[in-house]
Amino acid sequence: DTAVSQTPKYLVTQMGNDKSIKCEQNLGHDTMYWYKQDSKKFLKIMFSYNNKELIINETVPNRFSPKSPDKAHLNLHINSLELGDSAVYFCASSHHNGNTEAFFGQGTRLTVV
Amino acid sequence: DAKTTQPTSMDCAEGRAANLPCNHSTISGNEYVYWYRQIHSQGPQYIIHGLKNNETNEMASLIITEDRKSSTLILPHATLRDTAVYYCIVSSGNTPLVFGKGTRLSVIA
Repeated sequence: DTAVSQTPKYLVTQMGNDKSIKCEQNLGHDTMYWYKQDSKKFLKIMFSYNNKELIINETVPNRFSPKSPDKAHLNLHINSLELGDSAVYFCASSHHNGNTEAFFGQGTRLTVV
Repeated sequence: DAKTTQPTSMDCAEGRAANLPCNHSTISGNEYVYWYRQIHSQGPQYIIHGLKNNETNEMASLIITEDRKSSTLILPHATLRDTAVYYCIVSSGNTPLVFGKGTRLSVIA
């Protein structure tokens, strides 16, 4: 069983469209994250959710709206997609308080044309 | 910003030990040293972490200096499948991991 799963794996869409990426974890973790990895391969934190509550929003445009219906899911909705949104998006999860590892999904490669 | 400094790239012969250094001179007392790796655009994979004692697991060993200002990740017998970008991260565990540029390790046959 995949610990952190993201769908879709690939997403090609036109500028201006709205799209969503889904993430689910079956590890019982209470904290979930979204990271963005751009063409230069820098991995940057976007959002952090703990027990369905937003705790970190790292200066991400408000076109990006994460939603956490429950602790096991953190979806990312993007409005009015722009060329610069093209990147690989990674979902991750961990326990909030503790020195434990984070588990990452396999990524969603978003291409905006 | 990442609080660690790593060499940009390293090569290692297959079957030999790969020693990846990391400097973290501003590490706080409650921060752990974590190592992750990313194999060709896959999701980052946890390798090992430690506070001040040396640690070993089935993947690697982590050697942390007594002053905790630097550490070394050791892959005892590198294989071609260990070719990846290796990230050294310091974190208290209560905040998201902050990734730096990492070290691109190339294992050569």
